[in-house]
Amino acid sequence: QSALTQPASVSGSPGQSITISCTGTSSDVGGYNYVSWYQQHPGKAPKLMIFEVNNRPSGVSNRFSGSKSGNTASLTISGLQAEDEADYYCSSYTSTSTSCFGGGTKLTVL
Amino acid sequence: EVQLLESGGGLVQPGGSLRLSCAASGFTFSNYAMSWVRQAPGKGLEWVSAISASGATTYYADSVKGRFTISRDNSKNTLYLQLNSLRAEDTAVYYCAKDRSRIPLYYGLDVWGQGTTVTVSS
Repeated sequence: QSALTQPASVSGSPGQSITISCTGTSSDVGGYNYVSWYQQHPGKAPKLMIFEVNNRPSGVSNRFSGSKSGNTASLTISGLQAEDEADYYCSSYTSTSTSCFGGGTKLTVL
Repeated sequence: EVQLLESGGGLVQPGGSLRLSCAASGFTFSNYAMSWVRQAPGKGLEWVSAISASGATTYYADSVKGRFTISRDNSKNTLYLQLNSLRAEDTAVYYCAKDRSRIPLYYGLDVWGQGTTVTVSS
């Protein structure tokens, strides 16, 4: 169960858009539309931002969107705000009936 | 208010055991799958285990298979994780989380507890 690959860090200025990638294999991200994204602020529990690749739970801003192409899923945040500064994790269902997370990406709002 | 409250963490020696509990409230516990996710100090999230809504089906990460056991008591609205043969690398904050479905692993974890800390050290 190898972790999915995410960039360690990304940054952007307020109002800009950023994209975080999450690369797996055909046995996880590429094989199923069961990719989720979580936001975690320091010292806090994670929060579900996207489920099933591109669906937002109620209450999550429409500035957050998800997509997938092949073995890579992506989270895009548009109109960056200071409160978006956090760690972001992707997760996927796998062919061995388990789940796996990405290593996490630290988003800095400049 | 939908809430999950973990308990049972603490300091334990290598090779020791602990049982974590997660008390659920504010939703029909028996209708949803549940999971445990851990986070080692300064590290990322690691999925540990999941259980279906009925409790009939369980799933484990390779790193804990054979040492940890997930279970639930739907009459008490409580999720459990029995940790045996603990190792230093099991040191982490352990979160319980509610799935969006009766079947785990697919649809995302939409409610999380605040976590309970397990420290394995001599």
